[in-house]
Amino acid sequence: EVQLLESGGDLVQPGGSLRLSCSASGFTFSSYGMSWVRQAPGKGLGWVSDISGSGDRTHYADSVKGRFTISRDNSKNTLYLQMNSLRAEDTAVYYCAKSTTGTDDAFDIWGQGTMVTVSS
Amino acid sequence: DIQMTQSPSTLSASVGDRVTITCRASQSISSWLAWYQQKPGKAPKLLIYKASSLESGVPSRFSGSGSGTEFTLTISSLQPDDFASYYCQQYDSYPWTFGQGTKVEIK
Repeated sequence: EVQLLESGGDLVQPGGSLRLSCSASGFTFSSYGMSWVRQAPGKGLGWVSDISGSGDRTHYADSVKGRFTISRDNSKNTLYLQMNSLRAEDTAVYYCAKSTTGTDDAFDIWGQGTMVTVSS
Repeated sequence: DIQMTQSPSTLSASVGDRVTITCRASQSISSWLAWYQQKPGKAPKLLIYKASSLESGVPSRFSGSGSGTEFTLTISSLQPDDFASYYCQQYDSYPWTFGQGTKVEIK
């Protein structure tokens, strides 16, 4: 079964750091681009970042550029999101999502999400 | 950035109704549009990709159409399981952007 499982969400103070992980199973992880998408409480979906299957290309939303870093370890079938200088507006459920084919595509598989709360 | 605008924001309908949701892009995105369904507390689920291609396993009562800047998601006969929120998303140009969502409620 194709599955994504996020972890690492927590309560963190403004200015703090957190690393999210997304463990993949049931497909050839290195063949697919992966993304992080977030959803603030009661709000809509917002794309955060993506990375190519090989890890050589990344893209970021302007709101997180310079603060967040996406990466992957294909030997461990795991996607990461390093989040630094966290702000209250980063509070959200963070989903990892698999691209249908390459990177520039719809998201056909989603994890269950992990909650990040930024508050003092 | 490409802005995606959905209408309506909320839709009240009954089981068996034909439902149409519209998504407009601020510039042409060809057919690089997806539709997702999301239920409370759950992850989104892909319904339609490339504007009109039905994702495997999705019931045929869901259909998508459009190209350029104007797109629609149609549910031909609303079922109890379809009451949820729906989002469009463009993947033509970075940053990928979503519509604000349409909540389909029971009338």
